[in-house]
Amino acid sequence: AQTVTQSQPEMSVQEAETVTLSCTYDTSESDYYLFWYKQPPSRQMILVIRQEAYKQQNATENRFSVNFQKAAKSFSLKISDSQLGDAAMYFCAYRSAFLVRFGAGTRLTVKP
Amino acid sequence: NAGVTQTPKFQVLKTGQSMTLQCAQDMNHNSMYWYRQDPGMGLRLIYYSASEGTTDKGEVPNGYNVSRLNKREFSLRLESAAPSQTSVYFCASSRDYSTDTQYFGPGTRLTVL
Repeated sequence: AQTVTQSQPEMSVQEAETVTLSCTYDTSESDYYLFWYKQPPSRQMILVIRQEAYKQQNATENRFSVNFQKAAKSFSLKISDSQLGDAAMYFCAYRSAFLVRFGAGTRLTVKP
Repeated sequence: NAGVTQTPKFQVLKTGQSMTLQCAQDMNHNSMYWYRQDPGMGLRLIYYSASEGTTDKGEVPNGYNVSRLNKREFSLRLESAAPSQTSVYFCASSRDYSTDTQYFGPGTRLTVL
């Protein structure tokens, strides 16, 4: 069964520094999509970045980038130049057709 | 353009009571979903609707029913609420049923006493 594991329940980073959040997944599918969502205290789920498994190039969105290692089934999120507004829960998600799996989340704290 | 809206934002029920959570999207999306979020467990899919007129079970459907009222609206009903259904419920929508990005509503915090 497909599973998504976020091994870091909590992480902290100093403002302006870089932090990497880890995510691993298990699947036998070859075609799937991976996502990182941010959930601030407002509870709203906000899409941060998306990666198609068939693409070798790592996705980037401004200060957010991923390191996608398909063979290792790893999908980490790097946040550069961390800002106070980045503080939130971050969820890694896997999707293949209608099978959707979310990780348990990583709580990121940003220290001023 | 409000995106995905959910009502109510908060609800407290007694065991055995029933209620319906409402969800609407204005993005002309074909597919809609209901999730629950419990501490330490991420989001789990309850039901989904690939397109207007169809609904299917997700990972945790027991105790719930859904209705895809039209293309915009997708409701979740608890017929006889139980304390185990205390959770935060999220509705989401996507353009199609394959692997398109899902957009989430603000959530409903439900407490069952």
